[in-house]
Amino acid sequence: ETGVTQTPRHLVMGMTNKKSLKCEQHLGHNAMYWYKQSAKKPLELMFVYNFKEQTENNSVPSRFSPECPNSSHLFLHLHTLQPEDSALYLCASSQVLAGGLGKNIQYFGAGTRLSVL
Amino acid sequence: AQTVTQSQPEMSVQEAETVTLSCTYDTSESDYYLFWYKQPPSRQMILVIRQEAYKQQNATENRFSVNFQKAAKSFSLKISDSQLGDAAMYFCASTTGGSEKLVFGKGTKLTVNP
Repeated sequence: ETGVTQTPRHLVMGMTNKKSLKCEQHLGHNAMYWYKQSAKKPLELMFVYNFKEQTENNSVPSRFSPECPNSSHLFLHLHTLQPEDSALYLCASSQVLAGGLGKNIQYFGAGTRLSVL
Repeated sequence: AQTVTQSQPEMSVQEAETVTLSCTYDTSESDYYLFWYKQPPSRQMILVIRQEAYKQQNATENRFSVNFQKAAKSFSLKISDSQLGDAAMYFCASTTGGSEKLVFGKGTKLTVNP
């Protein structure tokens, strides 16, 4: 079993649909992340959750709604998306120590390939 | 703000040969970390190697090593004895100490020819 598991692997949705992406980490980490990977662009950090509290929202449109019910699970709720939101969505986790003494190593899942029609 | 630049969109290497992937970065911080991640067709990003900025010694992991030039803000990855399984996208990334934010370059697609 991989350390970070994302489901589904592929998702096709219409612009009026509501869907959710799921991420689960089995590494005992306390921080989780959502990234967007579009073609020919650097990975874009979307959200950061540290100890279940959202610590970063990188100017992401409100049609993306994250949820972190506990330190092992992270969701990305999607509604009324646009075709330009089609991308690979990657989840990652890391262990963040007090005082910033962590190793800053993030472990990634295999992503969800999202296509918005 | 941190930036990471990878100037080689694609590279190729013959099996068993050595290849070097380039990366430059810009940061005003003194405490930061640099990474190389590999993304094979399976899409999962895998950490290849990590370098702490305060360490002068270049990091190595088996066939993978870095050339960390702090003054030049350069962080290149050398892959020795290339194998077919090394074919992937390689991303350079940086983060500052105590931050959870990873900043990535655009990536270099590495092809390994048999």
